Amino acid sequence: GAGVSQSPSNKVTEKGKDVELRCDPISGHTALYWYRQRLGQGLEFLIYFQGNSAPDKSGLPSDRFSAERTGESVSTLTIQRTQQEDSAVYLCASSLTSTEQFFGPGTRLTVL
Amino acid sequence: AQSVTQPDIHITVSEGASLELRCNYSYGATPYLFWYVQSPGQGLQLLLKYFSGDTLVQGIKGFEAEFKRSQSSFNLRKPSVHWSDAAEYFCAVGPNNNDMRFGAGTRLTVKP
Repeated sequence: GAGVSQSPSNKVTEKGKDVELRCDPISGHTALYWYRQRLGQGLEFLIYFQGNSAPDKSGLPSDRFSAERTGESVSTLTIQRTQQEDSAVYLCASSLTSTEQFFGPGTRLTVL
Repeated sequence: AQSVTQPDIHITVSEGASLELRCNYSYGATPYLFWYVQSPGQGLQLLLKYFSGDTLVQGIKGFEAEFKRSQSSFNLRKPSVHWSDAAEYFCAVGPNNNDMRFGAGTRLTVKP
């Protein structure tokens, strides 16, 4: 069966440009999560969606980061005016129940 | 707020040897505890989880973990490591599935 997919798998951008990262959750999963994984570090929680609403945005590092989800399906994480410290792997996960999150392969973002 | 410490950044074991990866958490109540594995280029896969009940939890791929409240630990074990177990292992803790915090990870290398 189809798992969580993310696109692009790799993104190289120049400092100051905007980027959009996409997550396609497992069909029917109501909850969706975004995490950031810097090199050699653990996962940093960014934002959580239940349906199309985001009850917890506490992890977004700055107002340059935003995310939306439509149709209780696809989610987009947008980073405006990218900085070099934004370079990381961005992971998306989805879940149906409260017991397990299923992760995508991630998008590796490099800001030059 | 909850937090997780994985004291070992990198561990090397010989194939066939036993393995124990340490995880210590900080949380005021009985937490939800998870171990995930991340193989190169792959998303995170859940190995096992603890919510309540028997403190010795069996997972996939022959892994197990034991919840020790007195030590605030949830160490991952495997009696005999296979070369395919080489990966990054993450411990996570939360009040529920929607509010997890991950450790920095332990990278496992398996020697032939």
